[in-house]
Amino acid sequence: NAGVMQNPRHLVRRRGQEARLRCSPMKGHSHVYWYRQLPEEGLKFMVYLQKENIIDESGMPKERFSAEFPKEGPSILRIQQVVRGDSAAYFCASSPPLSSGNTIYFGEGSWLTVV
Amino acid sequence: GNSVTQMEGPVTLSEEAFLTINCTYTATGYPSLFWYVQYPGEGLQLLLKATKADDKGSNKGFEATYRKETTSFHLEKGSVQVSDSAVYFCALSAISSNDYKLSFGAGTTVTVRA
Repeated sequence: NAGVMQNPRHLVRRRGQEARLRCSPMKGHSHVYWYRQLPEEGLKFMVYLQKENIIDESGMPKERFSAEFPKEGPSILRIQQVVRGDSAAYFCASSPPLSSGNTIYFGEGSWLTVV
Repeated sequence: GNSVTQMEGPVTLSEEAFLTINCTYTATGYPSLFWYVQYPGEGLQLLLKATKADDKGSNKGFEATYRKETTSFHLEKGSVQVSDSAVYFCALSAISSNDYKLSFGAGTTVTVRA
């Protein structure tokens, strides 16, 4: 059973470009979460999605950031017009429908560098 | 709200030394508690977890006991190896509200020298 797959692992973008990060959840998992880890900080929740639905985006910056999890294909985290402050590690996680224990499984992360 | 406070690093140890990383939490209800580890250049891996008071999570020689009375979940290992060098994150998830938002501490960087 493959784990949570993220790509690209490393992405370099110039200021003003767009960044797209992809996440394929573990088989059988219908819930996806995105977290961001800024340098020297712990992970912060960004968004929670189910297929074709955004359940909670309370951690998403108000502008330039969007996420989707279509019926077919991976979840996408999209950052438009990137700035240097967007440089971070972006982690995707997935889980089956939530239940007691709430273990979610993380991917290996995508490191975005904005130059 | 839910929050996690863990010992600041960095921590540098010699091989075979005893490691403790303190973690305390604030939460409503009865959270699950986790330790995640991030090795250099890799993503987070679940190291161990405990879902109720007095539970002890253990894995790879690491242990942590869920202490409700002190709201703590300290990580310990009796004899560390160079391969244990990593960043360790304490986290919680509030079961009572089915909270999917893990609250992470800031991480503790551990370096083990041969």
